Amino acid sequence: NAGVMQNPRHLVRRRGQEARLRCSPMKGHSHVYWYRQLPEEGLKFMVYLQKENIIDESGMPKERFSAEFPKEGPSILRIQQVVRGDSAAYFCASSPRTGGPADQETQYFGPGTRLLVL
Amino acid sequence: AQSVTQLDSHVSVSEGTPVLLRCNYSSSYSPSLFWYVQHPNKGLQLLLKYTSAATLVKGINGFEAEFKKSETSFHLTKPSAHMSDAAEYFCVVTFRSGAGSYQLTFGKGTKLSVIP
Repeated sequence: NAGVMQNPRHLVRRRGQEARLRCSPMKGHSHVYWYRQLPEEGLKFMVYLQKENIIDESGMPKERFSAEFPKEGPSILRIQQVVRGDSAAYFCASSPRTGGPADQETQYFGPGTRLLVL
Repeated sequence: AQSVTQLDSHVSVSEGTPVLLRCNYSSSYSPSLFWYVQHPNKGLQLLLKYTSAATLVKGINGFEAEFKKSETSFHLTKPSAHMSDAAEYFCVVTFRSGAGSYQLTFGKGTKLSVIP
């Protein structure tokens, strides 16, 4: 049973380019969370999605950032016109749709995408 | 609002000696608490979780944590450190938002070094 998969693992972009980060949840999971980890800090919540729905984007920056989780395919976090401050590790986590609260609130993380903006 | 404080940014122990990583939380309701471990340039692995069942929680790799409501603590322990335990450890509290998501609030992490 494959875990959460993210690609690419490393991404280098120049200022002003677009970054697309992909996340495939664990088999049987339909809830996806995105987090950002800045150097020397813990992870910060960005957005929570279910298939075809953004449920909670309270942690997303208001501009340049967007996320989607289509009916088919991986979830995508998109950063337009990247700036140096976007350099960070971006982690995706998934949780199951079924089960009690203890199951649904347990999140399993992917290996992350490390974005470097030059 | 909920928050997590990890009291030590770095902990160094000798191989074979006990490990204690301290965590205090603040939550306006009964929290669920987790410990995750992150090895260098890797993702986060779930070590253990407390979800209002037994207060002493056993996790993987010999780690355990005790939930103490009176002290608002959830310290992580291991009787004997192994070299492979060297990593960064995050204490996490979960928060159910009004929008229905289970947001995780992370502590700033504790880097554990194990000396041979």
